[in-house]
Amino acid sequence: RKEVEQDPGPFNVPEGATVAFNCTYSNSASQSFFWYRQDCRKEPKLLMSVYSSGNEDGRFTAQLNRASQYISLLIRDSKLSDSATYLCVVNEEYGNKLVFGAGTILRVKS
Amino acid sequence: NAGVTQTPKFQVLKTGQSMTLQCAQDMNHEYMSWYRQDPGMGLRLIHYSVGAGITDQGEVPNGYNVSRSTTEDFPLRLLSAAPSQTSVYFCASTPTGFYGGYTFGSGTRLTVV
Repeated sequence: RKEVEQDPGPFNVPEGATVAFNCTYSNSASQSFFWYRQDCRKEPKLLMSVYSSGNEDGRFTAQLNRASQYISLLIRDSKLSDSATYLCVVNEEYGNKLVFGAGTILRVKS
Repeated sequence: NAGVTQTPKFQVLKTGQSMTLQCAQDMNHEYMSWYRQDPGMGLRLIHYSVGAGITDQGEVPNGYNVSRSTTEDFPLRLLSAAPSQTSVYFCASTPTGFYGGYTFGSGTRLTVV
């Protein structure tokens, strides 16, 4: 079983739609959680951290459910520029090592 | 401010050849790591370093060596290239204790034939 699992998609949505991605992780001792964005043939970039209380950054909302060991990302009012691969990332121990999910592809169409 | 610089961007090797992928950062980050990315697999950790002179293995270290003689540089050496090492390689760095905010290099696309 993969340590971090994501639905690979692709999710094809029209502009303005709301789309949600989920991610599950296997290690209950995981400490920190993140969403990264990766554009085609580019390096990953940090989108946002995920906190137990939930957090929002503009059109993006991240949630963490420790009991069920899943993380979610909600994107409202999708833009064409949101088209990318979204990586769920978990820090499983104190320190800097991160474990990456395989990513979910989002395609926003006009 | 260059961030993390990887060279080369593209490379084709023949099976059995060796080469070094270069990674340099100018942010004085203590922690550096190498990942490989394959379709459907996500990024997998090859080797990492928590500071000059200290390196350790990640999830997929076989066939690779690293060294960290300075804070700035963290080269990855392929000892004897194999087709299974065809991949995109990313170097990343972060200050120790700053969890999650990795800065990635732009990647090296390696093909082994």
